Amino acid sequence: DIQMTQSPSSLSASVGDRVSITCRASQTVSRYLNWYQQKPGKAPKLLIYGASSLQSGVPSRFSGSGSETDFTLTISSLQPEDFATYYCQQSYDTPYTFGQGTKLEIK
Amino acid sequence: QVQLVQSGPEVKKPGASVKVSCKAFRYAFSSYYIHWVRQAPGLGLDWMGVINANDGSTTYAQKFQGRVTMTRDTSTSTLYMELTSLRSEDTAIYYCARRRATRELDHWGQGTLVTVSS
Repeated sequence: DIQMTQSPSSLSASVGDRVSITCRASQTVSRYLNWYQQKPGKAPKLLIYGASSLQSGVPSRFSGSGSETDFTLTISSLQPEDFATYYCQQSYDTPYTFGQGTKLEIK
Repeated sequence: QVQLVQSGPEVKKPGASVKVSCKAFRYAFSSYYIHWVRQAPGLGLDWMGVINANDGSTTYAQKFQGRVTMTRDTSTSTLYMELTSLRSEDTAIYYCARRRATRELDHWGQGTLVTVSS
């Protein structure tokens, strides 16, 4: 199985900050890397697919980069509604493993 | 718009089975794969498996092999996930999610809470 490791596990930031979350795969996943946002009591929501493609309706302050084994999700200017937990997921091969999540909290 | 609507919460005793449904609306049912993902309380997302809604073929995560069965009913556009021999560690929210051709999960059900308790 491909292991996905996110860092940091938690992050405190302020509205307006630029933040980045990294995700590392234990072997290449090419660009089959997706990012999801989850708020308490809600299902995950797709933000970024194919490492860098923005899902329709997602604000442009979200961006993704990377390939092979190293990936980054960046939020350019945090908004109050962005405080949530973020997960990366590889869809290169089954099982479609997830990272352990990064909880983004208000400082 | 595309929607996946799941069945309601379940409470089961250890050793029992549970069958969760996921009804699809407003897209070509047989053209997509449906994945099942679970989330134990306070923990992360755990991929369980996938079913091809066209031909019913499945792939399961190793940890669930022998205990999980995913099926579909094309006449009602409904997918099912059955988990047997339940134990307390299976207490979780179970989600179905649609996979696009580019392999991301673009629409998710609202989740079904399964509680396993004696």
